[in-house]
Amino acid sequence: GENVEQHPSTLSVQEGDSAVIKCTYSDSASNYFPWYKQELGKRPQLIIDIRSNVGEKKDQRIAVTLNKTAKHFSLHITETQPEDSAVYFCAASNTGNQFYFGTGTSLTVIP
Amino acid sequence: NAGVTQTPKFQVLKTGQSMTLQCAQDMNHEYMSWYRQDPGMGLRLIHYSVGAGITDQGEVPNGYNVSRSTTEDFPLRLLSAAPSQTSVYFCASTPWGKGLETQYFGPGTRLLVL
Repeated sequence: GENVEQHPSTLSVQEGDSAVIKCTYSDSASNYFPWYKQELGKRPQLIIDIRSNVGEKKDQRIAVTLNKTAKHFSLHITETQPEDSAVYFCAASNTGNQFYFGTGTSLTVIP
Repeated sequence: NAGVTQTPKFQVLKTGQSMTLQCAQDMNHEYMSWYRQDPGMGLRLIHYSVGAGITDQGEVPNGYNVSRSTTEDFPLRLLSAAPSQTSVYFCASTPWGKGLETQYFGPGTRLLVL
């Protein structure tokens, strides 16, 4: 099956700085890559996703890049704010049936 | 729309007891799934269903059963609870088959097995 690795496991940044979280995947057939944000005690919520026919996607301060050749994708958060503090998960899917998640990155934005 | 709902929010079981975690969605989504979330391990797929009457195993199915008699409901059964099943369980639904894979998660059920 698919194997998704996520780094780093923890990340601290100063407010206003950028944060980058990276994921790699093993199955070249994977074609859908969502990112989820999970606040403490809450459910995961989709923040952005990308499909394999697109190299980059941006939504305000959040962007995701995908390198299919290298089998990695990254989440970029610019101008970080304290409310960005949460755990972020990447995931990969090749059929829409099964999703494989990374182990999560705990992001802390220091005011 | 209520979205995806789960009951109970929290449950304590003794080893060997059985219980059913309930999940329902009112978005007419065909795809529903169950995950468990353990510290440092992300979310792992237990079982999933692509429509009423159809279920399949995910990454960690042992010790769990599911059924899908209606589009709305997807209960998860623990037949004989074990301490290793202590976890947070999330149900999710997706409008599968329409080229959209966005998952909508329920609020979760926190299970403690003693």
